[in-house]
Amino acid sequence: AQSVTQLGSHVSVSEGALVLLRCNYSSSVPPYLFWYVQYPNQGLQLLLKYTSAATLVKGINGFEAEFKKSETSFHLTKPSAHMSDAAEYFCAVSAAWGGTSYGKLTFGQGTILTVHP
Amino acid sequence: DGGITQSPKYLFRKEGQNVTLSCEQNLNHDAMYWYRQDPGQGLRLIYYSQIVNDFQKGDIAEGYSVSREKKESFPLTVTSAQKNPTAFYLCASKEHTNSNQPQHFGDGTRLSIL
Repeated sequence: AQSVTQLGSHVSVSEGALVLLRCNYSSSVPPYLFWYVQYPNQGLQLLLKYTSAATLVKGINGFEAEFKKSETSFHLTKPSAHMSDAAEYFCAVSAAWGGTSYGKLTFGQGTILTVHP
Repeated sequence: DGGITQSPKYLFRKEGQNVTLSCEQNLNHDAMYWYRQDPGQGLRLIYYSQIVNDFQKGDIAEGYSVSREKKESFPLTVTSAQKNPTAFYLCASKEHTNSNQPQHFGDGTRLSIL
């Protein structure tokens, strides 16, 4: 079984400030982890993924995330927020091998990021 | 340009009516997925298909049906048995079930009740 918890359904930051979106996961087998971004009335776009290589993963648009096994976390960060970062962000987990969850993504409930001028 | 095309973008359903949402991909992907998105609930898996002529129920399959007769197409039918169909529906695909590959998403269909 696997699950994802995103802490904070809404996060608000000022333009130029640090962005931190929190994600904790639960998985009975080693996980693969993903962050997606969704703009209004659009599909999901992949920001970055962790697939058991480097624990610090860099993605598009200046975002990065660090896999911390001891904390079962995969928080998303960006040093300086831009107005165009305003969107909804989803963390997702998939089983690295075997079991009923293999090949399937389980999503968190999403975090809406608002960026103020 | 390779990608996933969902149509229509907006769809309205009358009471007791079945409606079908289209999903076509030209990425040559084996695996395809249907998700339902409701505000504050993330995405929930309805059905998925790993290869042509095969599909499996996801977490919320009741009131929905699918087919996979062609590799590039995975239509979703919302039947009259689905009592709360108003939602945003997203189709996704990935090359193989091998789970370290990301899923690619279409732009969604918003279904509403008349």
